[in-house]
Amino acid sequence: GAVVSQHPSWVICKSGTSVKIECRSLDFQATTMFWYRQFPKQSLMLMATSNEGSKATYEQGVEKDKFLINHASLTLSTLTVTSAHPEDSSFYICSARGRNTGELFFGEGSRLTVL
Amino acid sequence: AQSVSQHNHHVILSEAASLELGCNYSYGGTVNLFWYVQYPGQHLQLLLKYFSGDPLVKGIKGFEAEFIKSKFSFNLRKPSVQWSDTAEYFCAVTPGYSSASKIIFGSGTRLSIRP
Repeated sequence: GAVVSQHPSWVICKSGTSVKIECRSLDFQATTMFWYRQFPKQSLMLMATSNEGSKATYEQGVEKDKFLINHASLTLSTLTVTSAHPEDSSFYICSARGRNTGELFFGEGSRLTVL
Repeated sequence: AQSVSQHNHHVILSEAASLELGCNYSYGGTVNLFWYVQYPGQHLQLLLKYFSGDPLVKGIKGFEAEFIKSKFSFNLRKPSVQWSDTAEYFCAVTPGYSSASKIIFGSGTRLSIRP
């Protein structure tokens, strides 16, 4: 299947700093990418939908200024957690969907720990 | 709003037992249905999907699921489980089909297989 890669796979940062997580589709063009947050032993919570070349659509309750999403190209979307706080510590997962398929391909996830 | 319900939060079975995990969704229109699996320490992988046609869908590793439109259900089954099937299983739904349609996940079912 198609490959979606996330980087970094884990990151530890101090409270108040910003962290950028990259999501790349390695062998296909992803017109739409999704960002999820997964809490321990819970399901994936959709944070936002990112379409190439346009502003991301955020789910209710997700702060746009806190979680900046950029989908600059058909193979790259970034999530920046601004002024991170300990409550932002979580597992962030991206997924990508190609032009002609309904299947989602998931990245490996990025574990963020804010001290 | 669309939603996906997985009623079994944790299922414990012995090897060779038969498995059925329930999934119900709420949406009146056309849907695409998925089952994803997350093995310990790994990212989400697609088990099987239904877009149209035969409502009995066969996936990888001996899994199958049946779409029953009248019951809004898409239950996952396997005749004989193995210890390696220990994982978290997520049912997911995309209302309609569009590359921008967001995918809604159920809360997940943790499957533990006793050797």
